[in-house]
Amino acid sequence: EAGVAQSPRYKIIEKRQSVAFWCNPISGHATLYWYQQILGQGPKLLIQFQNNGVVDDSQLPKDRFSAERLKGVDSTLKIQPAKLEDSAVYLCASSTYSGRAYNEQFFGPGTRLTVL
Amino acid sequence: GDSVTQMEGPVTLSEEAFLTINCTYTATGYPSLFWYVQYPGEGLQLLLKATKADDKGSNKGFEATYRKETTSFHLEKGSVQVSDSAVYFCALIDGGATNKLIFGTGTLLAVQP
Repeated sequence: EAGVAQSPRYKIIEKRQSVAFWCNPISGHATLYWYQQILGQGPKLLIQFQNNGVVDDSQLPKDRFSAERLKGVDSTLKIQPAKLEDSAVYLCASSTYSGRAYNEQFFGPGTRLTVL
Repeated sequence: GDSVTQMEGPVTLSEEAFLTINCTYTATGYPSLFWYVQYPGEGLQLLLKATKADDKGSNKGFEATYRKETTSFHLEKGSVQVSDSAVYFCALIDGGATNKLIFGTGTLLAVQP
C-alpha cells in the first residue's frame, strides 16, 4: 500500500514570496491533516479536513496560510507571503474515519521549507 | 489547554543499555496517549499507543504504561540497539470532535556501538 506522498521535499524561498505544498493521502483515507514542525519543537496541527470540509483550522494563520482539498483527495497548503518564522517542516497525514472514531494517522515524509 | 512535556535530549546510550524517556501530560478529559518515532530522513511513525488508564502499549521491544494517577506515559526499552537511534515524540489525542495530535518537543536518542 502506497503511503502519504508529499512534494516538494525541500523548498528555499525569499521572505515575502509565495510557496505551495502538495499532499496525496493514502487511498480511501477521508481525513487529511497538515502539521507544522518547527526545528526543536513537536508538530503542531494547522488544519484538518474531513473529505473536502474543514474540521479544525483554529491554529492556521489565516492572514497568510490557506489550504484546500477540493475533491476530497489531494490537498494543497499555500503560504503568501512567507515570513522568516515560517521556516519549518510541513507534514501531511491521513487517516480513516469509521463514523464513530478517527483511526491511526499515517504521516508523509514532509516538506522542509527554508525562508531566507 | 492540553499539553505534553517530555524529557529533553539528547539522550546518549551505549548499545544494550536500558532506556527511559519520561513523558507527562495535561488534559481536561481522558486522552489517548502515543509514542511516535522519527528515524533520520523518514516520516513520523506510530511506535505504540494506549487508550485508557493502566493500558500498556508495546512494540519492537518498547513499552509504555498509561498512568492516570501520575499523568505519565514513560517510554522504556530493556536493551537498545544502534538502529533505535531516532527522535521520539510523546503525544496525546483528547477525543472530542477532532483527531488532533498534541505533541511534546521530542527527545533525540543516540545509541553508540
